[in-house]
Amino acid sequence: NAGVTQTPKFQVLKTGQSMTLQCAQDMNHEYMSWYRQDPGMGLRLIHYSVGAGITDQGEVPNGYNVSRSTTEDFPLRLLSAAPSQTSVYFCASIRNAGTGYTEAFFGQGTRLTVV
Amino acid sequence: QQPVQSPQAVILREGEDAVINCSSSKALYSVHWYRQKHGEAPVFLMILLKGGEQKGHEKISASFNEKKQQSSLYLTASQLSYSGTYFCGGRPLTQGGSEKLVFGKGTKLTVNP
Repeated sequence: NAGVTQTPKFQVLKTGQSMTLQCAQDMNHEYMSWYRQDPGMGLRLIHYSVGAGITDQGEVPNGYNVSRSTTEDFPLRLLSAAPSQTSVYFCASIRNAGTGYTEAFFGQGTRLTVV
Repeated sequence: QQPVQSPQAVILREGEDAVINCSSSKALYSVHWYRQKHGEAPVFLMILLKGGEQKGHEKISASFNEKKQQSSLYLTASQLSYSGTYFCGGRPLTQGGSEKLVFGKGTKLTVNP
């Protein structure tokens, strides 16, 4: 049982390039989210999904796109990379056990540097 | 809007106690607590639900004051393994589920021998 798998673990991009950060989960969770983590800023929500075909914006969505064609996969696309997008990106898959009990499982992160 | 955590950092000796606070300006349905060790992913500790229910880690406790929208994480008799950055995450009362968890900036806890 792999849990949440993110690829790649490290990436260096040039300004203006595009790329896709991959996230896959094998726990059959409906809810998934993307966060970025910057020093002193904590975890900030970029985009989230409540199921295949359904996505919405979080706190800091500008410059990112998402899609959810399957329950398992939730890729994050950087359209035109900027140095301000240098960050560590975490994908989360959320278990909903009912009665309000939920628990987020995070991937190991992708460390992205834009030069 | 991110919940506000305090303190930003705390240094303890093994065996000492600590309290980490989390305050939200928005009404919350629940509060989550996570711990992140350096270079690793955040890991779930516990959830505090509106209405007073608590689930989570057996050696660390927490409370949630719904009237004040404040939560506190209590670490007693700290161990070296408690070191890391602690994040509170708030699930808004009026907007969807925990796919919209909004996290505070974190509290860095260091436990020394």
